Amino acid sequence: EPEVTQTPSHQVTQMGQEVILRCVPISNHLYFYWYRQILGQKVEFLVSFYNNEISEKSEIFDDQFSVERPDGSNFTLKIRSTKLEDSAMYFCASRTFRGLRQETQYFGPGTRLLVL
Amino acid sequence: AQSVTQLDSHVSVSEGTPVLLRCNYSSSYSPSLFWYVQHPNKGLQLLLKYTSAATLVKGINGFEAEFKKSETSFHLTKPSAHMSDAAEYFCVVSDSGGGGNKLTFGTGTQLKVEL
Repeated sequence: EPEVTQTPSHQVTQMGQEVILRCVPISNHLYFYWYRQILGQKVEFLVSFYNNEISEKSEIFDDQFSVERPDGSNFTLKIRSTKLEDSAMYFCASRTFRGLRQETQYFGPGTRLLVL
Repeated sequence: AQSVTQLDSHVSVSEGTPVLLRCNYSSSYSPSLFWYVQHPNKGLQLLLKYTSAATLVKGINGFEAEFKKSETSFHLTKPSAHMSDAAEYFCVVSDSGGGGNKLTFGTGTQLKVEL
């Protein structure tokens, strides 16, 4: 069964450093998402991406964040200058697109980011 | 705006007894509702979803949920708990109002299953 994969599984970085989190969505999916879960808190939407552009983003997704689909398979989340409060589990998700009909989002296993 | 409220942060049951995890939702549009499960150190797995078809939805591992519009509820149930059901469960809502169909998660219910 196809799966969403994410790398790395864990990342430790220093405050102010740039990090890139990588995701390989399911191959025939067209909508891509990033969510995050700060320890002990609920999962929060960051951004959705379709047809090579952001379709929706949350207030969390400020200028420090960017997303890219550099090739036909990868979907990345970049944090330009990490802050302590960026420490969280980051989940990638993808789904097929059939108009407004709600299709299931399939989640990857997550990348745990720790900013020191 | 859409939101979900999970009424219990922790639920503890004995193995073999029924499970009830409660969820109420709020949505400006016709919502789709989901239950996801997260086992320790694992990703989010879809248990079941409601997308305006049958109001009683059956999912994996014997779980089911009933969409009740009049009560704005989508409670998750299972007739008989198993030790492997111990995990965190998230009620999730999505509406068709935004093009991206973002998911809005509840705060989660930690299910503990005791012998």
